[in-house]
Amino acid sequence: EDQVTQSPEALRLQEGESSSLNCSYTVSGLRGLFWYRQDPGKGPEFLFTLYSAGEEKEKERLKATLTKKESFLHITAPKPEDSATYLCAVQGYSSASKIIFGSGTRLSIRP
Amino acid sequence: DAGVIQSPRHEVTEMGQEVTLRCKPISGHDYLFWYRQTMMRGLELLIYFNNNVPIDDSGMPEDRFSAKMPNASFSTLKIQPSEPRDSAVYFCASSFAVSGANVLTFGAGSRLTVL
Repeated sequence: EDQVTQSPEALRLQEGESSSLNCSYTVSGLRGLFWYRQDPGKGPEFLFTLYSAGEEKEKERLKATLTKKESFLHITAPKPEDSATYLCAVQGYSSASKIIFGSGTRLSIRP
Repeated sequence: DAGVIQSPRHEVTEMGQEVTLRCKPISGHDYLFWYRQTMMRGLELLIYFNNNVPIDDSGMPEDRFSAKMPNASFSTLKIQPSEPRDSAVYFCASSFAVSGANVLTFGAGSRLTVL
């Protein structure tokens, strides 16, 4: 069964203080690993898709990387507007098109 | 496109009542997913459709829950009878496959409170 575990549950940073969020996954044949951002009272918003180990993608202050067992979301010099919950999800070949989410990391950036 | 549209945004009902949540996916998307989000359990997949056909409903908690997709532009999630433990935010998301993976576009959610 596909599984996703995210850590830490919550992270508080000072503005400009870089850090990383972790997503560990178990899947039989990876179709895609996804990162989403969720603001309070809203639906998750797509950030990245990673397809294979070694792949990296960047968007503004965010960079996502992928290995065979985990993915990291690196946040460089974050700003208060980066405060949100970040969700990781996987889709495997053995489970058809099922997409399983982790429990998320609540990120808070203090000015 | 207006995105994925869900209604109602908020619903407060009493235990035992029937609840119907509605979703209009993005035009052209051939997959539709229903998720439930709570603080304790996070985002749980309830059911998903491909080309209006239910593919996997193993996440539906019990027989009180049912979902339909009568056409490509409309889906419903029904709870009958509702119970307090059904209180959650229900999200609908639609997608099409890109390089074999489904990038989801979520609606704003329907917050359900069962008293």
